[in-house]
Amino acid sequence: QVQLVESGGGVVQPGGSLRLSCAASGFPFGDYGMHWVRHSPGKGLEWVAVIWYDGTNERYGDSVKGRFTISRDNSRKTLYLQMDSLRAEDTALYYCARESYSGGFAFDYWGQGTLVSVSS
Amino acid sequence: DVVMTQSPLSLPVTLGQPASISCRSSQSLVHSDGNTYLNWFQQRPGQSPRLLIYKVSIRDSGVPDKFSGSGSGTDFTLKISNVEAEDVGVYYCMQGTHWGLTFGQGTRLDIK
Repeated sequence: QVQLVESGGGVVQPGGSLRLSCAASGFPFGDYGMHWVRHSPGKGLEWVAVIWYDGTNERYGDSVKGRFTISRDNSRKTLYLQMDSLRAEDTALYYCARESYSGGFAFDYWGQGTLVSVSS
Repeated sequence: DVVMTQSPLSLPVTLGQPASISCRSSQSLVHSDGNTYLNWFQQRPGQSPRLLIYKVSIRDSGVPDKFSGSGSGTDFTLKISNVEAEDVGVYYCMQGTHWGLTFGQGTRLDIK
């Protein structure tokens, strides 16, 4: 069955860096676009970034543009999120999500999330 | 970015009764390809979000027909018939027509 397992979260100081990973299994990873979505305490869901199925294109939300980088290794079936210049407002539970073939960025599978806390 | 506005933000419902959630977008969600990319997600307490509806009204695989989506342009609705205890959670609409993708604030459904 489809599984997405995030890792790499933790506590980091403002201005620091962290790299999240998302290990995929149970489906042809290289055939699907992949996304990061976050859920901040007391707030709702916020889309962070997308990478095309073949890694040739990526897009970012305005709040993370220029600080975060999404990447993937299809041979390892793994999605990454490099987070630099972290701020307190980046504190959130970070989910990786698979983009459905149905189009329109319907995220049909989600991981369980990895927690990032930015605090001094 | 397109702003997605949900109402109500809190929705207490009696067991067995229907529920309705509204979602309005600040711009039309009709894509240049003719499709309208409006999705609905359910997030039960302690769980990851789950896709319920995509392209306004199409239920994802395994989603019971008690959930239905409708609407067009900038005005959309999620309806839940016969609310059960397992429907408790937060419901989000999300637009996939315009970059950057945006979610509504969420509607918390609980049992009255």
